[in-house]
Amino acid sequence: DADVTQTPRNRITKTGKRIMLECSQTKGHDRMYWYRQDPGLGLQLIYYSFDVKDINKGEISDGYSVSRQAQAKFSLSLESAIPNQTALYFCATRGQGTEQFFGPGTRLTVL
Amino acid sequence: GESVGLHLPTLSVQEGDNSIINCAYSNSASDYFIWYKQESGKGPQFIIDIRSNMDKRQGQRVTVLLNKTVKHLSLQIAATQPGDSAVYFCAGNTNTGNQFYFGTGTSLTVIP
Repeated sequence: DADVTQTPRNRITKTGKRIMLECSQTKGHDRMYWYRQDPGLGLQLIYYSFDVKDINKGEISDGYSVSRQAQAKFSLSLESAIPNQTALYFCATRGQGTEQFFGPGTRLTVL
Repeated sequence: GESVGLHLPTLSVQEGDNSIINCAYSNSASDYFIWYKQESGKGPQFIIDIRSNMDKRQGQRVTVLLNKTVKHLSLQIAATQPGDSAVYFCAGNTNTGNQFYFGTGTSLTVIP
């Protein structure tokens, strides 16, 4: 089984809808991250969390919110989706080292 | 602001040749850097990292070189194989060390 899972893997929604992307991990890591990736661009950090009580904004947090329900779960929400939020979204975890472990990604399309 | 960029968006190499992927960074305070490989339809995977107190680090078929004077790092892949075809990202940490900034990626194509 994958260490970092994301659901759904693909989602098509309409402008104005609320969307939640979920991330679960079995690695026992405290640190979790949400990134978005646009075609031809690198990963941009949306939010990160160092434990259940610690949530931090990344470089592009506007229009997004997160919830760290448990050590293993970190959800990303789009309260009112807009077309320019169409992107590939990745969740990642990190233990004590430098390496981040990424999930398989969620492809979100906002019409 | 922070930035980590790559010199070339695409690179094609013949199978068996060596590949060199370059990356420039702007934050002098970054003290470690990571190279990731992203295959089509998958999330990025860690390849190798290097701390700023090192100039070179070797892994299996990969070598990362760091030149702090010109804020440049490179990833060298020896004897490139078709399975190496992917997008390669460099990432550097921020002043606090809590976040990483990723480059835009270089797409490596290995020609059989």
